[in-house]
Amino acid sequence: QVQLEQSAAEVKKPGASVKVSCKASGYTFTSYGIGWVRQAPGQALECMGWISTYNGYTNYGQRLQGRVTMTTAKSTSTAYMELRSLTSDDTAVYYCASCSSANCQYSHFEHWGQGTLVTVSS
Amino acid sequence: EIVLTQFPGTLSLSPGERATLSCRASQSVSSSYLAWYQQKPGQAPRLLMYGASGRAAGIPDRFSGSGSGTDFTLTISRLEPEDFAVYYCQQYHSSSLTFGGGTKVEIK
Repeated sequence: QVQLEQSAAEVKKPGASVKVSCKASGYTFTSYGIGWVRQAPGQALECMGWISTYNGYTNYGQRLQGRVTMTTAKSTSTAYMELRSLTSDDTAVYYCASCSSANCQYSHFEHWGQGTLVTVSS
Repeated sequence: EIVLTQFPGTLSLSPGERATLSCRASQSVSSSYLAWYQQKPGQAPRLLMYGASGRAAGIPDRFSGSGSGTDFTLTISRLEPEDFAVYYCQQYHSSSLTFGGGTKVEIK
């Protein structure tokens, strides 16, 4: 069955960077894109952007443009999300999710990772 | 960016009652590129509906979705104890995917 296994929780200082991984299994990695969604404590879901696992095309949310980079490693069926210049506002649970097509445009999120808590604190 | 507004913010109902959740888009969402997710405390969201009215695998038929254009509805015909959760709508009409603010369905 489809599984998305995310990396462990992280604690970072303001100004640092964090890189979260999402290892996919149970399907052909390049068939379905990967989206990244975050959720601050007690808040709604926020889509950070997505990456086509087929050709590497990315689409980032307006709020995070310039601070986020999404990549993939086809050889290990793993997607990565790096967020730079962290502030306390970036404290959240970060989820990866598989799209219903290789390109996440016109695609909902089928399967979700378990989430990775990133805490930004001095 | 398409903004999704969900209402009500909180719905207080008893098991067995009918729940009607609304999601309004700031511009038309064509081809019903609208999904609904359920999230319980401490868990990842779970896909319920896609294409406005298509049920995801394993979702019971007490869940139904409808709507088009800018107005969409998720209906739970008879609430079961496991249905009390937060529900989010999401549009995928534009390449910038967005979620609504969520509706919490709580036990009255």
